[in-house]
Amino acid sequence: LAKTTQPISMDSYEGQEVNITCSHNNIATNDYITWYQQFPSQGPRFIIQGYKTKVTNEVASLFIPADRKSSTLSLPRVSLSDTAVYYCLVGENTDKLIFGTGTRLQVFP
Amino acid sequence: DAGVTQSPTHLIKTRGQQVTLRCSPKSGHDTVSWYQQALGQGPQFIFQYYEEEERQRGNFPDRFSGHQFPNYSSELNVNALLLGDSALYLCASSLQGINEKLFFGSGTQLSVL
Repeated sequence: LAKTTQPISMDSYEGQEVNITCSHNNIATNDYITWYQQFPSQGPRFIIQGYKTKVTNEVASLFIPADRKSSTLSLPRVSLSDTAVYYCLVGENTDKLIFGTGTRLQVFP
Repeated sequence: DAGVTQSPTHLIKTRGQQVTLRCSPKSGHDTVSWYQQALGQGPQFIFQYYEEEERQRGNFPDRFSGHQFPNYSSELNVNALLLGDSALYLCASSLQGINEKLFFGSGTQLSVL
């Protein structure tokens, strides 16, 4: 299972774009990249998943370069409610998904 | 459509006791995974159940056991509780298949005194 490395924490202000980069140097051919968001005392919530290039949904974009050794989660125009921990996961399926310590995003007014 | 539900929400036990946590998966899901999350850490995979069998297991002792019922609901049992078992226990459901995303419940907060 590919290990991921993310910044421990990030700060931002409301209305700004936030980019969180995840490193996964030993990603395997069949691995997908998935991001989850977690608020205190709640379970993680799926944000976005991708395999290569760019994926966009209603809440975020995911950028994956050609070598797939890293990925960047982009949150446009963050609000206070985006304050949470963001986890990057790499794996082929939902078995034994490995969560790291995640990136703690703090959004200030 | 109810999501993943877990019970109880909070539980206090003493060392050496046994505990059972329960999980009902999201409607239509057939796979249940259990995670342990200590304060300030990411969730750690305990095991996964599909077709009433344990399919995958993380690095947890056999004090941790589980069960899946025909209706896909699941239980997590922990025997001989230790202080270090204090954590948020999360249940996640999914549909068996590659890259099916996990839906998590809000967890059971277990405190061992």
